[in-house]
Amino acid sequence: GAVVSQHPSWVICKSGTSVKIECRSLDFQATTMFWYRQFPKQSLMLMATSNEGSKATYEQGVEKDKFLINHASLTLSTLTVTSAHPEDSSFYICSASSPSGFYEQYFGPGTRLTVT
Amino acid sequence: AQSVTQPDIHITVSEGASLELRCNYSYGATPYLFWYVQSPGQGLQLLLKYFSGDTLVQGIKGFEAEFKRSQSSFNLRKPSVHWSDAAEYFCAPRFGNEKLTFGTGTRLTIIP
Repeated sequence: GAVVSQHPSWVICKSGTSVKIECRSLDFQATTMFWYRQFPKQSLMLMATSNEGSKATYEQGVEKDKFLINHASLTLSTLTVTSAHPEDSSFYICSASSPSGFYEQYFGPGTRLTVT
Repeated sequence: AQSVTQPDIHITVSEGASLELRCNYSYGATPYLFWYVQSPGQGLQLLLKYFSGDTLVQGIKGFEAEFKRSQSSFNLRKPSVHWSDAAEYFCAPRFGNEKLTFGTGTRLTIIP
């Protein structure tokens, strides 16, 4: 149980275009989902926290107009990277809070974004 | 200020040898403590967690961790590593009602 999926697993897009990444909780309802960014050989950096039906809370320094997060249902959150640039290339990971409480998070497999 | 430290950036051990990965935190109380493992190009998998109670916790894949309040530590151990344990390991405390805070990670290399 408590499986989180992400789609796509990798994507290549051209500079200036937008790309959407989906995060789904497959067998549980996730009221809270999180989006992280990870640079090569570095730790995870929390970008934003999203609660179903409300606006996401972004971490300091994260451009909310560039990284659009939507959490429209209890099983789906999306991250859209708008007007992507090469510096947005990264590994994006989502997670969902455990159905048993907020203390645990279950992580998706990640999405590798390359902007050319 | 709240913080987490993983002092070892990279550790190399021989297959079959024991392993200990260090994690220290700075906080005025006892946080919830987690260890996650990340295989190359993958997301994170929860190894084990500590909330309260018995300070020695057992996790998956033969891992265990011991919480030591006096040392503000939550070190991860395994008595005998396997080649498949090669990965990145993250200690992640949760301070109060705040979000998870990830350490910088320790990369584990296994040599035959």
